[in-house]
Parts: sequence; C-alpha cells; structure tokens
Amino acid sequence: NAGVTQTPKFRVLKTGQSMTLLCAQDMNHEYMYWYRQDPGMGLRLIHYSVGEGTTAKGEVPDGYNVSRLKKQNFLLGLESAAPSQTSVYFCASSPQGGGYTEAFFGQGTRLTVV
Amino acid sequence: AQSVTQLGSHVSVSEGALVLLRCNYSSSVPPYLFWYVQYPNQGLQLLLKYTTGATLVKGINGFEAEFKKSETSFHLTKPSAHMSDAAEYFCAVSDPYSSASKIIFGSGTRLSIRP
Repeated sequence: NAGVTQTPKFRVLKTGQSMTLLCAQDMNHEYMYWYRQDPGMGLRLIHYSVGEGTTAKGEVPDGYNVSRLKKQNFLLGLESAAPSQTSVYFCASSPQGGGYTEAFFGQGTRLTVV
Repeated sequence: AQSVTQLGSHVSVSEGALVLLRCNYSSSVPPYLFWYVQYPNQGLQLLLKYTTGATLVKGINGFEAEFKKSETSFHLTKPSAHMSDAAEYFCAVSDPYSSASKIIFGSGTRLSIRP
C-alpha cells in the first residue's frame, strides 16, 4: 500500500531552471494539497485541489503552478526557480476537505535552488 | 481567518517526564483541531483530532489533547515521555464549514527527550 508518493525525493536546481514535482496517491482521494515546509514557519499551503480538473490557490501560491488532470496525480511546477523556493515540499491527500478526515502525507521532496 | 500559535519552538524533557506541548488557535467558528507528528526525514502523520463531542481526545502512542474553548487552546500531553517520542509536532486547525477545505498548520514544536 503506497499511499502518497512524491517524485523526486531530492533535487538541486540552478536559478531560473524549471521543474515539476509529481504527487501520486492510490487511495482514490478527492482532495490533494501541496505544502512547503521552512524552518520556524511550519507548513504553508501552496495550492490545493478539491477534485480532478480543479485547482485553487493557498497561502503562498506565487511562483508555482499546479495541475490535476487525473484524480490520482497532482503536479507542482516551478517555471523559473528562485533561491527563495529552497524548501521541503510535501504533498497530501484526503477523502474529504475541511479536516473532516485525516490528511495523508508523502515523505517530502527536498529542493535546493542555487 | 484561522490561525494557530504553538508556544515554544523547542521543548526538552527527561525520559519518563510529562510532555506538554502548547497550542492556541483563532477561529470565528467552532474549529476542527489536529495534532500531527513528523519523525526525521518523514512526512506528517496524524496523532489525534478534535471535531465535536468529548473535549478530551486520545490519540496514538499515549498522547492526548484537551479542547478548551474558553482558553482557545488544544494542548498536547503525554504522562511519561519515551525516547521514541523525539520528533516535531504540529498543531493544525480547519474550518469544517468552509468550502476552501484548508488545514492551517502551526510553526511546529521540536520535542527532545533527555536520557
């Protein structure tokens, strides 16, 4: 039972490069989320999706784009990476939103932008 | 808007001692409240949550938390710390009536256990 799988686990980018982080869940969950975790700031919501084909902005969406073409996948894109985007990125999914049910997290992607 | 404040970014206790991690929230509606734990190099996992009903909530690994509306608090406790409890703990809040479906996390408290 894989749960939530994030790819890649580590990545180093040069400033200005682009990349896509992939999140895949096998639990048939409707809701998916992308968070970033920075020291002393906890987890901040970047974007989220309430179902296939939908996306919405979270607290810190600037510099990121997302897509949810398939229910099981939620992609996070960085079009032009900046050092301020150095962080650990977590994907999560839940069967319902609003905290009605538990959110399941992936193991994270550690991204360094130099 | 909802928010969560965790008091103390780092807490250190001796093995066998009481663990108390503090969380205060701000919400204009009755909130759902959560504690998540993150072990090194892993994602977050749910320890416990409060939705409605009994204000004392028991979770995994012997942890519990009490919802106190008058104090807008949801502190996490464990009577006797174990070395395996060393981790980072996050308090979180959500608005179950909102279509935004967001869970807002606190900044985290790192728990260290002294032998």
